[in-house]
Amino acid sequence: AQKITQTQPGMFVQEKEAVTLDCTYDTSDPSYGLFWYKQPSSGEMIFLIYQGSYDQQNATEGRYSLNFQKARKSANLVISASQLGDSAMYFCAMRESRLNRLAFGKGNQVVVIP
Amino acid sequence: DTGVSQDPRHKITKRGQNVTFRCDPISEHNRLYWYRQTLGQGPEFLTYFQNEAQLEKSRLLSDRFSAERPKGSFSTLEIQRTEQGDSAMYLCASSLAVMDYGYTFGSGTRLTVV
Repeated sequence: AQKITQTQPGMFVQEKEAVTLDCTYDTSDPSYGLFWYKQPSSGEMIFLIYQGSYDQQNATEGRYSLNFQKARKSANLVISASQLGDSAMYFCAMRESRLNRLAFGKGNQVVVIP
Repeated sequence: DTGVSQDPRHKITKRGQNVTFRCDPISEHNRLYWYRQTLGQGPEFLTYFQNEAQLEKSRLLSDRFSAERPKGSFSTLEIQRTEQGDSAMYLCASSLAVMDYGYTFGSGTRLTVV
């Protein structure tokens, strides 16, 4: 069963605008962590932001924020003030406490246009 | 230490040949992971080491695949008798067990089997 679902088609976003990338997840483990990674065309997976299942507040890291809705099992990434360098694939991932691995979604393609 | 290093960055091989990839993790990280990413998909877990012990292997890791981490430092992933379906990006990541949300990925090795 798919643990992480990212279904949005490729997105074009105007420079300096905000963009929201959707991610839903499925787990019965009460303790888990949610991650967002950026993968530019060079291939490296760049860590952006982390949200623990017991964290009371939504995580923020600079221009990145995670809209965590636990009851809906949703962990959307918001990128504010988009920059041309934000053009990349974005992956949502989850680590359940009982497992020593990350499960990734299929990714969202974002293209920032000037 | 500048991060997780993978070598080579690209590898083209003929079907039936053996290939070996290397990963050098962040020096103080005791956990090391291998993932495979095919075109249009998110990374999929292959195997995981804690120090030199290989603690988990995915069913994706067929008998033709073997991974080692001698002395708990660098790791190698060998694929024997390569097939066209092995063409993918092979990603290595490392983490500290006590800070398990801090996965750092390398830039990957892109394998093309012709």
